[in-house]
Amino acid sequence: SAVISQKPSRDICQRGTSLTIQCQVDSQVTMMFWYRQQPGQSLTLIATANQGSEATYESGFVIDKFPISRPNLTFSTLTVSNMSPEDSSIYLCSVGGLAGGPPTDTQYFGPGTRLTVL
Amino acid sequence: QKEVEQNSGPLSVPEGAIASLNCTYSDRVSQSFFWYRQYSGKSPELIMSIYSNGDKEDGRFTAQLNKASQYVSLLIRDSQPSDSATYLCAVNMGTGGGNKLTFGTGTQLKVEL
Repeated sequence: SAVISQKPSRDICQRGTSLTIQCQVDSQVTMMFWYRQQPGQSLTLIATANQGSEATYESGFVIDKFPISRPNLTFSTLTVSNMSPEDSSIYLCSVGGLAGGPPTDTQYFGPGTRLTVL
Repeated sequence: QKEVEQNSGPLSVPEGAIASLNCTYSDRVSQSFFWYRQYSGKSPELIMSIYSNGDKEDGRFTAQLNKASQYVSLLIRDSQPSDSATYLCAVNMGTGGGNKLTFGTGTQLKVEL
């Protein structure tokens, strides 16, 4: 599996501000995803980060609220815009499609970013 | 709506016993199935994947898949207190879904001394 890092690991933000979360992988991967996990809940896919093109968002998530970048095969960012307390959650990136690795749909998760919005 | 269902638990088993975790899914064309372990405050960790009907063993873990019944399970032999965690079942729902996974809500496992 790959080594995946996320920055920041946690943050406390004020309502109305924005936070950008970074996800870095130590090897090239074909797939990168962003999830949200609210307290006591399972994982909800926000979007698939596509290299060199716009992300593919799931129902209920929009680009204006969660802009995503993926400039290359090892890095992606998720921005949570105009935050409200309802955005308090853990945000996770995952990767799949490691070179020489298991099938592309096998996903490995980063350590997560714990966001609290006041 | 395509779904993955798990009993939320908690499932309590004594140390040394076999823990059996179950998962059902709604989409018959699903091809890939995964079990993740998530400790409190940590991110999910991949335990096993299974693609074909039958059993797949890895150490103390055995994944079982029955596509006809749309059922996948995870057995943990000789359960240890360190196995206490939430176990998430994930399914690639197949056609049109690309490489996306749909996660169940997870089963909390408690291994008691």
